[in-house]
Amino acid sequence: QSVLTQPPSVSAAPGQKVTISCSGSSSNIGNNYVSWYQQLPGTAPKLLIYENNKRPSGIPDRFSGSKSGTSATLGITGLQTGDEADYYCGTWDSSLSAESVVFGGGTKLTVL
Amino acid sequence: QLQLQESGPGLVKPSETLSLTCTVSGGSISSSSYYWGWIRQPPGKGLEWIGSIYYSGSTYYNPSLKSRVTISVDTSKNQFSLKLSSVTAADTAVYYCARLIGAGTIRIWGQGTMVTVSS
Repeated sequence: QSVLTQPPSVSAAPGQKVTISCSGSSSNIGNNYVSWYQQLPGTAPKLLIYENNKRPSGIPDRFSGSKSGTSATLGITGLQTGDEADYYCGTWDSSLSAESVVFGGGTKLTVL
Repeated sequence: QLQLQESGPGLVKPSETLSLTCTVSGGSISSSSYYWGWIRQPPGKGLEWIGSIYYSGSTYYNPSLKSRVTISVDTSKNQFSLKLSSVTAADTAVYYCARLIGAGTIRIWGQGTMVTVSS
């Protein structure tokens, strides 16, 4: 059971737009920055979005992030077959009992 | 360009200690303001943060693994290490080392190394 909740899968056609949600609580998303990671099959994850909506150099502006309250959203426009991957949200969790990095369970994106 | 490379045994026996090393190239592990960490991913499953160490030596561990985990830094070798004791089959996973920006953002990932716990 992951601390952050993501849909197990999403799908859309090439060229379309898709969004992936990430739900948490006040101890994590509500008071900390959210990051998003892309994991292509058989490879290590890669940072896509950090500090809710910033893109590292080299990440195309087809990828965007937003946060509202205790939820965050990753958006991908102009879908390409090469975008098929698992996507994970992550953040810092600072509850009363402990602090840790937490992730969502991951969302598998299928480009039909 | 900073690169991270994990190394260590690919097979560990149950109840023994898993030991992995991450070698950092293209930059200094002593650079200020960075955390260095370990994340794992069981086969077919999601990501689990194991712990992080700040360049100053402060450590932060996943509460569920804290009693079994030790992360340390060797600045002379530009490496940091993971030790996970009393392993079971549930510890079988791909282990990634990483550099974090801030406490919660994993900026650079190693390629990962598969560790199997089996007798």
